[in-house]
Amino acid sequence: DSGVTQTPKHLITATGQRVTLRCSPRSGDLSVYWYQQSLDQGLQFLIQYYNGEERAKGNILERFSAQQFPDLHSELNLSSLELGDSALYFCASSPPGAALGNTIYFGEGSWLTVV
Amino acid sequence: DAKTTQPPSMDCAEGRAANLPCNHSTISGNEYVYWYRQIHSQGPQYIIHGLKNNETNEMASLIITEDRKSSTLILPHATLRDTAVYYCIVRVANSNSGYALNFGKGTSLLVTP
Repeated sequence: DSGVTQTPKHLITATGQRVTLRCSPRSGDLSVYWYQQSLDQGLQFLIQYYNGEERAKGNILERFSAQQFPDLHSELNLSSLELGDSALYFCASSPPGAALGNTIYFGEGSWLTVV
Repeated sequence: DAKTTQPPSMDCAEGRAANLPCNHSTISGNEYVYWYRQIHSQGPQYIIHGLKNNETNEMASLIITEDRKSSTLILPHATLRDTAVYYCIVRVANSNSGYALNFGKGTSLLVTP
């Protein structure tokens, strides 16, 4: 158990709909990362937040957005869903401070199926 | 981040040591070597990381060459549960906020009975 909690574990929704994935980072971690893993793309970095502020962007579509709240939990919002958005979505977190190696710990993921 | 090169697949007999190589010839002086693994459809699991010295923990050992251009992850006594995709990633780690990991294709390790 990495200490990163993601909900829901599984989600099935229709095309055109909007969903929200939730992530609680490990206690004390200030950085949250979101990744997408589909069969043909591998693990793709989407976006990172640090202490409530957007820190880095990866291959995140404009239809997707995220935020990190004052209690440090994060949400990934996926809208106008398409069949190709079906994937595993991982949240990860890392502690502050370079001395800890900024090691990133991953949650178990949220399976999204768009039908 | 420096690019890494790993063999796409490897086999290892149960109980034997699994030695997974990684080339990172363009690594910068401030970049660490990280190893993660992903057991089918589970979240990637942190294994070990290092800068220039060899490192060992309860899961594995990491051997980094003196020129830092390559490294080897060693699982000393592989079990069937070690069957997974192993990722070698290089990245800086000198900031409060941290940096994302860029995953490549990794090495698919199959441990056989």
